[in-house]
Amino acid sequence: QVQLQESGPGLVKPSETLSLTCAVSGYSISSGYYWGWIRQPPGKGLEWIGSIYHSGSTFYNPSLRSRVTISVDTSNYQFSLKLTSVTAADTAVYYCARHSGLSGGWNDAFNIWGQGTMITVSS
Amino acid sequence: DIVMTQSPDSLAVSLGERATINCKSSQNVLYSSNNKNYLAWYQQKPGQPPKMLIYWASTRQSGVPDRFSGSGSGTDFTLTITSLQADDVAVYYCQQYYYNVLTFGQGTKVEIK
Repeated sequence: QVQLQESGPGLVKPSETLSLTCAVSGYSISSGYYWGWIRQPPGKGLEWIGSIYHSGSTFYNPSLRSRVTISVDTSNYQFSLKLTSVTAADTAVYYCARHSGLSGGWNDAFNIWGQGTMITVSS
Repeated sequence: DIVMTQSPDSLAVSLGERATINCKSSQNVLYSSNNKNYLAWYQQKPGQPPKMLIYWASTRQSGVPDRFSGSGSGTDFTLTITSLQADDVAVYYCQQYYYNVLTFGQGTKVEIK
């Protein structure tokens, strides 16, 4: 079955760039679907960060757009997130997820999620 | 952005009783062209990622027990858990996928009374 696994540094210093990768197994990204990043601050709710199609088309949350870059590497079955100029407010569990394909577009629900990776921003 | 507001923030229900969670969207999420509500429900247990339960406001994801049901249209939606089980203790989120910015409700925590 399709599985997603996030990987990242765990700890990032303020003002630096957070880089995360989501490894996809059981499915070839180049075959379709949109792929997204969602985060969840400790004890809080879910915030969509952005999504990407296998072609490289990206869609970002306007609240983070100026700091976010999502890219895809179909040959290595993974997609990535970069978030620049991080602050303590970016401390969260970061999830990668696959869109469900229900709507036919990127405005969609998420039916497959990674386990998440905790990122702490602190000096 | 479309604001999704859930109520209550938390509720405690006896085993075997009904749990009802409401979700209100600040704008309509019913697409008139296909008569579908772009609304999903998720369950999140501690230390786990969210799990999609319901999509199109009322369609259960494969494998989801039929004690979970979704209803509503337009801006007002409900997730109902009939006959609450111990395994249903979790936080539940609604999400709209109609608009360009995907947004979630703040979550409703369901506990056993």
